Amino acid sequence: KQEVTQIPAALSVPEGENLVLNCSFTDSAIYNLQWFRQDPGKGLTSLLLIQSSQREQTSGRLNASLDKSSGRSTLYIAASQPGDSATYLCAVSGGATNKLIFGTGTLLAVQP
Amino acid sequence: DGGITQSPKYLFRKEGQNVTLSCEQNLNHDAMYWYRQDPGQGLRLIYYSQIVNDFQKGDIAEGYSVSREKKESFPLTVTSAQKNPTAFYLCASSPGDSGKKTQYFGPGTRLLVL
Repeated sequence: KQEVTQIPAALSVPEGENLVLNCSFTDSAIYNLQWFRQDPGKGLTSLLLIQSSQREQTSGRLNASLDKSSGRSTLYIAASQPGDSATYLCAVSGGATNKLIFGTGTLLAVQP
Repeated sequence: DGGITQSPKYLFRKEGQNVTLSCEQNLNHDAMYWYRQDPGQGLRLIYYSQIVNDFQKGDIAEGYSVSREKKESFPLTVTSAQKNPTAFYLCASSPGDSGKKTQYFGPGTRLLVL
């Protein structure tokens, strides 16, 4: 059974710092890995999707990497801003049905 | 505007009562999903549907039921058999049944038990 773990559970950094969020999964047979952002009491917003054949994806200040063989992904946020404060969730898709298995998230606080 | 809408934003359930959460999308997506989120936990899949008039159980389907009579709509009923229904419920959709497509989420419904 696929399990997804995110470390750390919470992170507080000063504005301007570069930071890395970690995601690990137990079964390397995945279709894709996605990173989402969730603001308090809101739905999820997709940030990046990495196909199983890809190594990384970039969008603006965000860069996500995937090492499928080791079961790991990282989300790199450059020059963090207070507006980046949110919970970041990673999820893996295990097949064509696109069912997602989620991690428990990392709560990020960027201090001005 | 294209997107996914969920209603109501807050819903209160009395003991022994069934309640229905609405999910509508105008993205022309074939697949739709229902997730439950509890504090400090990730999302868990309740039900999903890849096509009209067909749906499948997810990991925690007990105490829930769904229907998919229209492509745009995927309502979730929380039955009285669900003993711990207090949670944040999220609906999502994606184009087709390919595992290569991202999912788009609605704003969620928070269900509370009176």
